[in-house]
Amino acid sequence: DIQMTQSPSSLSASVGDRVTITCRASQGISNYLAWYQQKPGKVPKLLIYAASTLQSGVPSRFSGSGSGTDFTLTISSLQPEDVATYYCQKYNSALTFGGGTKVEIK
Amino acid sequence: QVQLQESGPGLVKPSQTLSLTCTVSGGSISSGGYYWSWIRQHPGKGLEWIGYIYYSGSTYYNPSLKSRVTISVDTSKNQFSLKLSSVTAADTAVYYCAGGEKTTVTYPPDYWGQGTLVTVSS
Repeated sequence: DIQMTQSPSSLSASVGDRVTITCRASQGISNYLAWYQQKPGKVPKLLIYAASTLQSGVPSRFSGSGSGTDFTLTISSLQPEDVATYYCQKYNSALTFGGGTKVEIK
Repeated sequence: QVQLQESGPGLVKPSQTLSLTCTVSGGSISSGGYYWSWIRQHPGKGLEWIGYIYYSGSTYYNPSLKSRVTISVDTSKNQFSLKLSSVTAADTAVYYCAGGEKTTVTYPPDYWGQGTLVTVSS
């Protein structure tokens, strides 16, 4: 089974900071990588699919990159409404999630 | 716009079978082009994929749960269902149903139900 490992598990940054979250697959998954945002008590929301394609309506400060085994989610300028837990997910065959990264405001 | 809604008991006794249904509205589950998933989240923890089913009935389960999971589809009711047998307290979680598009290209689930909390307790 392919495992998805996210880092860090949590981070604290100031408003306006650039934030980067990484996700590593234990085997190559091409670009079958999605990023979700889950705010407390809410349903996960799809942000990015195919590693770098922004879902409709998602602010352009979010971006994704990577292919194969190493992927990155970047928030170019952190906003208060971005406080959430972010999950990566592979979606070729099994839909395995990473462990999540909790983003807080410093 | 496709919408999903979970339904089922919020309390299940240990060793019994957890049964949940997801009703799909705004689209036909039998029209093809989608796969229908169950995902759960233990309290305060991350997301765990349980399995998914295509409208044709073919399924794919998380290997760690495969021996206890059955996902089925009822096209006449526009619903799909989850059965998880021999539950323990470790199966207490919020259970989500979700749908993703699969045509010539596969997309991740982008339609989600609101989630339903299932507690396993005697």
